[in-house]
Amino acid sequence: DTEVTQTPKHLVMGMTNKKSLKCEQHMGHRAMYWYKQKAKKPPELMFVYSYEKLSINESVPSRFSPECPNSSLLNLHLHALQPEDSALYLCASSQTSLGGIGDGYTFGSGTRLTVV
Amino acid sequence: GESVGLHLPTLSVQEGDNSIINCAYSNSASDYFIWYKQESGKGPQFIIDIRSNMDKRQGQRVTVLLNKTVKHLSLQIAATQPGDSAVYFCAEPSEGRDDKIIFGKGTRLHILP
Repeated sequence: DTEVTQTPKHLVMGMTNKKSLKCEQHMGHRAMYWYKQKAKKPPELMFVYSYEKLSINESVPSRFSPECPNSSLLNLHLHALQPEDSALYLCASSQTSLGGIGDGYTFGSGTRLTVV
Repeated sequence: GESVGLHLPTLSVQEGDNSIINCAYSNSASDYFIWYKQESGKGPQFIIDIRSNMDKRQGQRVTVLLNKTVKHLSLQIAATQPGDSAVYFCAEPSEGRDDKIIFGKGTRLHILP
């Protein structure tokens, strides 16, 4: 299995809702990432988990709460989001948190989130 | 500051011709650079990468050239096909740490029939 699987593919939520995005990989990768991508923009890093521990939080608002239950799973819990949080949320994984030749990230197809 | 930018936001190429996508980077200490392809509705897909001690690396129909003197990176796609239509991003590790990748602005490649 060489894929990163994200669910759901699409999500519409109200500003008072609580929802979760899920990400799963079975490549043995020990680093996992959440990125946010607005339309016609490059992906922007939100969080990095390395060996199931949070290693980077890019000053993301607390209404986004990441969780890494085990080395294969990564969740992003959403609460009280704003319409401007609407975006494509991408999960990625890599062999280690240290990149290098041939060690590119593997991205999922993303969750298209719309906040109404 | 940290930035990876591209010279052209959109590139239109005739099917069968070669495509050249350019990227300027700012961090002269970056150990490697990566090119990603992102098709509509999908996540970025790794294409090819290159270490900073290399000038050129070839893959299947793709070649990446690195000019460290002018901090310039290019992706060449040979015999461009309709399936090459996508947004292409160059990326490099963030200065001081390589568990964070910085993406360039992206170039949309449009294939003309």
